[in-house]
Amino acid sequence: ILNVEQSPQSLHVQEGDSTNFTCSFPSSNFYALHWYRWETAKSPEALFVMTLNGDEKKKGRISATLNTKEGYSYLYIKGSQPEDSATYLCAPPMDSNYQLIWGAGTKLIIKP
Amino acid sequence: EAGVTQFPSHSVIEKGQTVTLRCDPISGHDNLYWYRRVMGKEIKFLLHFVKESKQDESGMPNNRFLAERTGGTYSTLKVQPAELEDSGVYFCASSPPGQGPYRRELFFGEGSRLTVL
Repeated sequence: ILNVEQSPQSLHVQEGDSTNFTCSFPSSNFYALHWYRWETAKSPEALFVMTLNGDEKKKGRISATLNTKEGYSYLYIKGSQPEDSATYLCAPPMDSNYQLIWGAGTKLIIKP
Repeated sequence: EAGVTQFPSHSVIEKGQTVTLRCDPISGHDNLYWYRRVMGKEIKFLLHFVKESKQDESGMPNNRFLAERTGGTYSTLKVQPAELEDSGVYFCASSPPGQGPYRRELFFGEGSRLTVL
């Protein structure tokens, strides 16, 4: 069974505060981990593709780290802004055809 | 450049009826994917086209679902006859050729919300 878990399910953060959340995935047969950002009523958009253990990626105030040995990735947002409100999805390609197996997402709500 | 477009954005049908969803990928993107998200749950893979060929259809739930991509351009996903459990948001995504199979960045449409009553 291929299980991708994201926690917390939802998160309310005060504007200006920093936050982080977790994606857990099976560590065996690891190829890559994708992070996507999905704003309500819009299309999911790619944030990062991570492949190497210890990898750290950054895009503006958003960064992500990867631990392939223990099977987790953290997404960090520094100085949250209202426009960061979205659902953040992680997905490793894990079946024999490398199709993405999606977590249920962390819904982030920034309170002004 | 136009993004991935999906039509309709929302469809409400009765159980037993037929619905056809359409996806126009980004021009030049050989890879086209269909996904479904049932409310509050994970996005689930349905099917992957490379050009007009079905590369992987392991996620299609049953034979009430039929996907086509004639000519390797736009794709349709038909549900016939629709059942209550088919309700959800159907996403289409595309990706260009040449990226490694596990590094492909997907470009999503906004989804087609299907409600079966």
